Amino acid sequence: DGGITQSPKYLFRKEGQNVTLSCEQNLNHDAMYWYRQDPGQGLRLIYYSQIVNDFQKGDIAEGYSVSREKKESFPLTVTSAQKNPTAFYLCASSIAPAGADSPLHFGNGTRLTVT
Amino acid sequence: QQQVKQSPQSLIVQKGGISIINCAYENTAFDYFPWYQQFPGKGPALLIAIRPDVSEKKEGRFTISFNKSAKQFSLHIMDSQPGDSATYFCAAREDRDFNKFYFGSGTKLNVKP
Repeated sequence: DGGITQSPKYLFRKEGQNVTLSCEQNLNHDAMYWYRQDPGQGLRLIYYSQIVNDFQKGDIAEGYSVSREKKESFPLTVTSAQKNPTAFYLCASSIAPAGADSPLHFGNGTRLTVT
Repeated sequence: QQQVKQSPQSLIVQKGGISIINCAYENTAFDYFPWYQQFPGKGPALLIAIRPDVSEKKEGRFTISFNKSAKQFSLHIMDSQPGDSATYFCAAREDRDFNKFYFGSGTKLNVKP
């Protein structure tokens, strides 16, 4: 089945540690995205990438980093600089760019808890 | 500042009733308005979407109503079923930047049998 795989589903880390969230897609989509979901705030864009080896900051990029070395993979690193990292992280993809006929396809998320 | 304001935060509807979720925006550059449905522990999935040149779009039991002058749009779920119980998000996208979707804060719908 084509889709987006995020792993792990749950992740626990100590404060001050960097952590990397995995996102893999086999939809052959060019564009990939990372969103953060907090209760009562909807989804906020962290980073996006329209093509391999290129990515752009979203609205809340501070404390996060990404790489796009392969078309199917877009890992997100939550660094120790992120002040409030505990959240539900969603990876998405679309036929680039995300237009009227190419909606966002989401993975099932990774819930990160930092204590 | 939230670009898309969604209400209500939660909604309880009896089976067979109509569920109505409202969204409002200020940015006139928005040109695409999708609705997403999210079940617990899952990622959001596209439900239905509309462009501002259309006042209404219907797909099965789901209808989007769009009021361009008021900068408001709403999702109507007719004959609501317990299986519709989920969180619904409205979103909007600028015509100048296809990659940026702005999401509402979500509405948790509970359809009682």
